[in-house]
Amino acid sequence: KQEVTQIPAALSVPEGENLVLNCSFTDSAIYNLQWFRQDPGKGLTSLLLIQSSQREQTSGRLNASLDKSSGRSTLYIAASQPGDSATYLCAVNSGGGADGLTFGKGTHLIIQP
Amino acid sequence: NAGVMQNPRHLVRRRGQEARLRCSPMKGHSHVYWYRQLPEEGLKFMVYLQKENIIDESGMPKERFSAEFPKEGPSILRIQQVVRGDSAAYFCASSPLDSGSNQPQHFGDGTRLSIL
Repeated sequence: KQEVTQIPAALSVPEGENLVLNCSFTDSAIYNLQWFRQDPGKGLTSLLLIQSSQREQTSGRLNASLDKSSGRSTLYIAASQPGDSATYLCAVNSGGGADGLTFGKGTHLIIQP
Repeated sequence: NAGVMQNPRHLVRRRGQEARLRCSPMKGHSHVYWYRQLPEEGLKFMVYLQKENIIDESGMPKERFSAEFPKEGPSILRIQQVVRGDSAAYFCASSPLDSGSNQPQHFGDGTRLSIL
């Protein structure tokens, strides 16, 4: 059974810092991994999707990497801004006929102005 | 380009009543997924549907919960005889018609269900 863990559970940093959020998964046989952002009381916004054959994806100030063999992914946020404050969720698609995602519990990020 | 639409946004029910949650996928998407987020817990997959078919319901509780995605109209998640433990945020996601497993899932804003 796939399990996804995110470290740290919470993070507070001053504006302008670069930061890394970590995600690990127990079963390396995945189809893809997706990073989301969730604002309080809101739904999920898809940030990046990395296919199992890819090593990284970039969108603006965000860069996500994937090391499938070791079961790890990182989300790098450059030059953080207060608007980046949110909960960041990592989710794995293990496929196998069931396309439901397995989520971590998230990292609650606060960027101090 | 409307996103995934869920309604109602908030739903209050008394114990024993029925709750119906609706989800309209993005235009052109025929794959729908339901997830539940309990307080202080991560999102948990419940069920995956295509038009008129349940593909995977491995995450659905065996009793009181059902889901459908008819040929016409939104997908419905139905909870019968609700109990306090059903209080949660329920999210719907959709992906395109030609979804392999490398299409991102797009999420709605969720329905917050509160049981009195």
